[in-house]
Amino acid sequence: RKEVEQDPGPFNVPEGATVAFNCTYSNSASQSFFWYRQDCRKEPKLLMSVYSSGNEDGRFTAQLNRASQYISLLIRDSKLSDSATYLCVVNPPGGGNKLTFGTGTQLKVEL
Amino acid sequence: GAGVSQSPSNKVTEKGKDVELRCDPISGHTALYWYRQRLGQGLEFLIYFQGNSAPDKSGLPSDRFSAERTGESVSTLTIQRTQQEDSAVYLCASSFNSNQPQHFGDGTRLSIL
Repeated sequence: RKEVEQDPGPFNVPEGATVAFNCTYSNSASQSFFWYRQDCRKEPKLLMSVYSSGNEDGRFTAQLNRASQYISLLIRDSKLSDSATYLCVVNPPGGGNKLTFGTGTQLKVEL
Repeated sequence: GAGVSQSPSNKVTEKGKDVELRCDPISGHTALYWYRQRLGQGLEFLIYFQGNSAPDKSGLPSDRFSAERTGESVSTLTIQRTQQEDSAVYLCASSFNSNQPQHFGDGTRLSIL
């Protein structure tokens, strides 16, 4: 089993749609969780951290379910500019913040 | 302020040559990380520096790979006797400390002919 698993997509959605991505992780002792965004041939950029209580940043909502070991990202009112690959990222136990990345879920927002 | 800076942006070299990649972290960031991303794949952790502690080299794929960092500043990743499977984007990231989110540079796209 991969340490971090994501559906690669692509998810093709119309502008204005709501879309959700899930991610599962294998190590139950993982300490922190993030969503990064990566545009084609660009570096990953931090989108948001994921907290146990759930957190929201504008149109983006992230949730963590430790019991089921999954993380979700919800994007409301999607924009063309949201088209990118979304990387689920986990900080496993052991310290050092050596992040483990999923292979990403590709989102394409269309007119 | 300035972000993480990497150089060169692109590097093409022949199999068997040595290459050196450079990373300038964000000023004040004590933690520095190197990752590799092969085409169509996720990022793989290579090595981690935290302050003046011994680096965590657990992700380096072979002894052809090495990295150095001077204090809390520039880091260089060296690949000796490059092989075609070394072709990838090499990404550097830094964070204020090991508990904070990481910020990435643009990467060095390495192509081995």
